[in-house]
Parts: sequence; structure tokens; C-alpha cells
Amino acid sequence: NAGVTQTPKFQVLKTGQSMTLQCAQDMNHEYMSWYRQDPGMGLRLIHYSVGAGITDQGEVPNGYNVSRSTTEDFPLRLLSAAPSQTSVYFCASGGGLAGSSYNSPLHFGNGTRLTVT
Amino acid sequence: AQSVTQLDSQVPVFEEAPVELRCNYSSSVSVYLFWYVQYPNQGLQLLLKYLSGSTLVKGINGFEAEFNKSQTSFHLRKPSVHISDTAEYFCAVSRKAAGNKLTFGGGTRVLVKP
Repeated sequence: NAGVTQTPKFQVLKTGQSMTLQCAQDMNHEYMSWYRQDPGMGLRLIHYSVGAGITDQGEVPNGYNVSRSTTEDFPLRLLSAAPSQTSVYFCASGGGLAGSSYNSPLHFGNGTRLTVT
Repeated sequence: AQSVTQLDSQVPVFEEAPVELRCNYSSSVSVYLFWYVQYPNQGLQLLLKYLSGSTLVKGINGFEAEFNKSQTSFHLRKPSVHISDTAEYFCAVSRKAAGNKLTFGGGTRVLVKP
């Protein structure tokens, strides 16, 4: 069982370039989310989705787009990369919807380390 | 909106000594509370969670945490640490109506020394 798979593991971009961070899960989770991790700031929620076709903004959505065409995949797009987007990005999925049970806690991928120069 | 404060950014501790990691939260509504651990170059793994019931919660690897509603705290403890406990630990909270949408603290880096 692969769990949550993120690709690539590392990426270097120049300012203004675009790219897509991939996230796939094989646990049939309805909830998926993207966080960025910066030193001393913990993890901050970028975007999340409670099911295919449904996405919403988190705490720091500016500069990022998402879509959810299938239950399994939740890609994160950087349309025009900026140095402030240098970070480690984590995708996480979970089985709980709003107000539902927490029998399935958040499962995290191993992260994508992005550097924007 | 809720927020989470982890009072120590780094905690050095000797092997077999006890450790306590402090976490305070603020929220105007009822919340669920979590502790996650992150080993080097890995994602986060759930250590334990408080949803309701007994305020003392036991998790994996000998960790436990106590929910104190009056002090809005959820401190994590382990009576005797191992070298393998060297990692970063994150406290997180979610509103009961918000499903899996977690707010994380800034993290506490634990370094276990031999």
C-alpha cells in the first residue's frame, strides 16, 4: 500500500517559471490538502479538497492553484514561481469529512523540497 | 480562527531522561488536538490524538499527552527517551466542525544525546 506519493522530491526553479507538484493517494480518501513547511512556522495550509470537484483555500493560498478531477490526485500548481515560495511542500489525505469521525488521521507524503532562485 | 503555540523551539535531552513538550492553543469553539512527529527527510506521522473522553491520551512509542481545558494546553510527555526519538514534534488543532483541516504549531525539535 503506497499511501500518499509526492513527486518530485526536489525541484529548483527560476523566478517566473511554472510547475506542478504531484500528489496521489491510494486509500480512497475524500479529503486531501497541501501544506508548506517553513522553519519556525510549522505547517501552513495552502489549499484543500473535500472530494472530487471541490476545492477551497487555506491559510496561504496566494500564488498557488489546485484542482481535484479524481479522488486519487490533487496537484498543486505554481503559475509564476517567486523566491518566497522556497519551502518544503507536503500533501496529506484523510478519510474524515467536516464533522465526521477521525478514524482515519491525516496521512502525509514525504514532501517536495522546492527552491526558487 | 484557532492558533497553536509550541513554547520551545528546541529541547535537548539525555537518553533515558524524561521529556515534556509544551503546547498551548487558542480557540473559541471545541477542538480536537493532535501530536505529530517528523523524522528527518520524512513526512509527518500521528503520535496521538484527543477527540473526547479521558484527558490523558496514550500514543505510540511510549508517548502520552494530557488535555487541560482550563489552561488550553496539550503537553506531550515521555518518561524515558531513546536516541531514536530525535525528531521534530508538531502540535495541531482542528475545530470539531472542520474535519481534517488542521492548524499546526511551529514545531519543537528534540535532540536526544547519549
